[in-house]
Amino acid sequence: GNSVTQMEGPVTLSEEAFLTINCTYTATGYPSLFWYVQYPGEGLQLLLKATKADDKGSNKGFEATYRKETTSFHLEKGSVQVSDSAVYFCALSDQGAQKLVFGQGTRLTINP
Amino acid sequence: DARVTQTPRHKVTEMGQEVTMRCQPILGHNTVFWYRQTMMQGLELLAYFRNRAPLDDSGMPKDRFSAEMPDATLATLKIQPSEPRDSAVYFCASGLVLWGRLDLSAETQYFGPGTRLLVL
Repeated sequence: GNSVTQMEGPVTLSEEAFLTINCTYTATGYPSLFWYVQYPGEGLQLLLKATKADDKGSNKGFEATYRKETTSFHLEKGSVQVSDSAVYFCALSDQGAQKLVFGQGTRLTINP
Repeated sequence: DARVTQTPRHKVTEMGQEVTMRCQPILGHNTVFWYRQTMMQGLELLAYFRNRAPLDDSGMPKDRFSAEMPDATLATLKIQPSEPRDSAVYFCASGLVLWGRLDLSAETQYFGPGTRLLVL
């Protein structure tokens, strides 16, 4: 079945460090891929998405590229801020079941 | 700014009591999802609806949980009787699936702020 595997957390970085959170997927067909972010005490929010191979999603300085050859959608940011501290979820669209399949989430903490 | 709303935001109850959580999806969205989030299990999909009809509720314990959409502006999740292991944050999300597109998957989902449930 379709699944998403994310980098184990928690991840702790210093402000202005480079961030990578790995995400790989298993899917049939051509799913869309998503990154959602959850700030403390809130629901998940869409951060970025890509709908086909080689597409790059970007938002708020974050980027992720849909790599079909490696079945990956790694999240990157060049210089993180304390306000980026949150839990990040990678997800794919399960076209057969018409729902999203989420990874387990990666908790990110940025220290000043 | 359209948002998904959920009530109550917090609920503390005793074991055996009925709990009802409500969700108002974004106006015009035709798909509603219920999720449960715990530290141990992470984010779990409980059930989802399309045009008010249930598509899948296999993630829900059938003996005590029920989900309905009385109308297009209201989705409910009930637990009866509640148990301490039901303590979690329950999220509702809504989305729009456009028929006729090649990709019929539920695309972007918009999450509510959640209901934090504690069953003593």
